[in-house]
Parts: sequence; C-alpha cells; structure tokens
Amino acid sequence: QKEVEQDPGPLSVPEGAIVSLNCTYSNSAFQYFMWYRQYSRKGPELLMYTYSSGNKEDGRFTAQVDKSSKYISLFIRDSQPSDSATYLCAMSGSNTDKLIFGTGTRLQVFP
Amino acid sequence: GAVVSQHPSWVICKSGTSVKIECRSLDFQATTMFWYRQFPKQSLMLMATSNEGSKATYEQGVEKDKFLINHASLTLSTLTVTSAHPEDSSFYICSASYRGRGYGYTFGSGTRLTVV
Repeated sequence: QKEVEQDPGPLSVPEGAIVSLNCTYSNSAFQYFMWYRQYSRKGPELLMYTYSSGNKEDGRFTAQVDKSSKYISLFIRDSQPSDSATYLCAMSGSNTDKLIFGTGTRLQVFP
Repeated sequence: GAVVSQHPSWVICKSGTSVKIECRSLDFQATTMFWYRQFPKQSLMLMATSNEGSKATYEQGVEKDKFLINHASLTLSTLTVTSAHPEDSSFYICSASYRGRGYGYTFGSGTRLTVV
C-alpha cells in the first residue's frame, strides 16, 4: 500500500463547476499537508498549505484535512479552463523535510 | 519571495556525456534541497536530499555515482548526470525547503533532459 493514494483521473468538468480532489494516506505522523498545481512541463506550484486538521480557504480554493480519517481534499469553486493542470497532494511529518507526493490528478476544465 | 531558479530548462546530450543541472534559491538560504525525477504522466520521485556542506542522501535504487549532487553553498545545488544514457531521459525538478516561512517547499521550473 502506498503511503499516499490519489486518483490519477483524468477528471473532466465544465467551466464553472465545483471540483473536488482528494487524497488518502496511511501514515498518522503526517502533520503538514500541501496541494500543488503542475502545468505540463513545468515545476509544481504551491497552492495551499495546511498544518494538522481543519479548513483553509484562499480565493476559489479550499483545502480540508481530516486527520481522523486520514483524508485531505481540495475544492475549486467556479473552475476555469486555466485551472486545467495536474494537482498533486503532498504531505510530511514534523521531524522530516521529506515530502511524500500523491500520483497527481489530471484536471481538465472545458469551456 | 521564496523563488528557486533551475536551469537549463531543457538539454539534449549525446550518450556517454555528462550533464549538469543547477538549482539556485534566489531570495532565501536553502540548507536543504531536493532532487526529483518525473516520468510522463507520473508523480515526482524523490532521488536525493541535498544538504549544504555535507553529502547528499540518496533514495533507495538511485545510483550515487551516476547522479552526482553537490550543495556547496546555501543558495546552490547541482545535479550532474554522468555518462548519460537514453534511459536517463526524463524531467528533473529541484525544490528547496524554506522552513520559517509557513513551512513549505518551492520548486524549480524543471529540466527536460533528452539523451540521444
């Protein structure tokens, strides 16, 4: 079993839809949770960072962490074609700098 | 802030030659940098952790002698692919940890290596 599981997609939605992206994990020591967006042939770009459980909102993006269920989510409201990219979840424990990535979910938002 | 510059963005080399990729933190000091490899439509695979002033820590299965990492200063880490072969063709990405700025990592823009 992988430490972090993420559905690779692809996920195709119409413009304006609410997108829900999810990851599950098995290591209860993870404390830091991040979502990255990666456009084709580019490096990942940090979207959201959350420490421990709870919600965090930034514009059209909301990140949720449920440590009891070992489940994290990223919601994108009013999705735009420019949101089309691969979204990677990543997480880390408090005693390490090493990030563990999910496989990434490819999202396509069509006009 | 927290910008990492990586270059070259793409490189083509002949089999048997060596290629050096640079990763620089432009506006912060990075005591730790990471090197990843990414195959098409796959996630990032951590190759090694680079610590300033000490030897890099390689992940299991990564050849130390083939992928030489040097982190000689707080703002520069380099990855040298030695005696490159076509199977080394991939997308290489570096990142740097900037703890103290809300904990996180910033990534370089990646280097696409093609070995012919």
